[in-house]
Amino acid sequence: ETGVTQTPRHLVMGMTNKKSLKCEQHLGHNAMYWYKQSAKKPLELMFVYNFKEQTENNSVPSRFSPECPNSSHLFLHLHTLQPEDSALYLCASSLTILAGGSTDTQYFGPGTRLTVL
Amino acid sequence: AQSVTQLDSQVPVFEEAPVELRCNYSSSVSVYLFWYVQYPNQGLQLLLKYLSGSTLVKGINGFEAEFNKSQTSFHLRKPSVHISDTAEYFCAVSDGSSNTGKLIFGQGTTLQVKP
Repeated sequence: ETGVTQTPRHLVMGMTNKKSLKCEQHLGHNAMYWYKQSAKKPLELMFVYNFKEQTENNSVPSRFSPECPNSSHLFLHLHTLQPEDSALYLCASSLTILAGGSTDTQYFGPGTRLTVL
Repeated sequence: AQSVTQLDSQVPVFEEAPVELRCNYSSSVSVYLFWYVQYPNQGLQLLLKYLSGSTLVKGINGFEAEFNKSQTSFHLRKPSVHISDTAEYFCAVSDGSSNTGKLIFGQGTTLQVKP
């Protein structure tokens, strides 16, 4: 049972489209994360937000634009994507940011399967 | 920088047999270690984690893992698997001295349990 929801679950878009992925957590957490999961590759951390402030941008291309209006919601705005951006995009949250001394667990949503044509 | 290596991309095993999924990480002053499971069309679910203390960690669904600092390993084991354990398993490490909130994941191991 997960307290992290993601919509849509599946998305097909053209390279010129603009779309957004939404993540919502109902766990009262303060840190939220975007990951990209491509076939046969390790999960790649994209962005980290702590109390609505971005604390990590893992060299993500600017065609991916995150937004965190509050601690419960996280968006990933997509524009002019490339076919190689097709992947499963996972959102996660934790009570506090994973850092030295923190024992918190990251809880993951089911992901959005994105296909770029 | 931290890195995680899962030595087997696929592990086929018969039902009720024991299984070990291997994970090695690059050395650091202090690390936290995790195993996650991903069932088809679902997100990741935490199986267990090592933060400190006893090197043998017990998790959900009968899984356990042993932290071995000298060998920089955190192998996952289950004495008797079920068909329902068929899934993708990910080992991950967090740098205990870092403030970035970063988890580094391995490539994943597909466990295929056969009847």
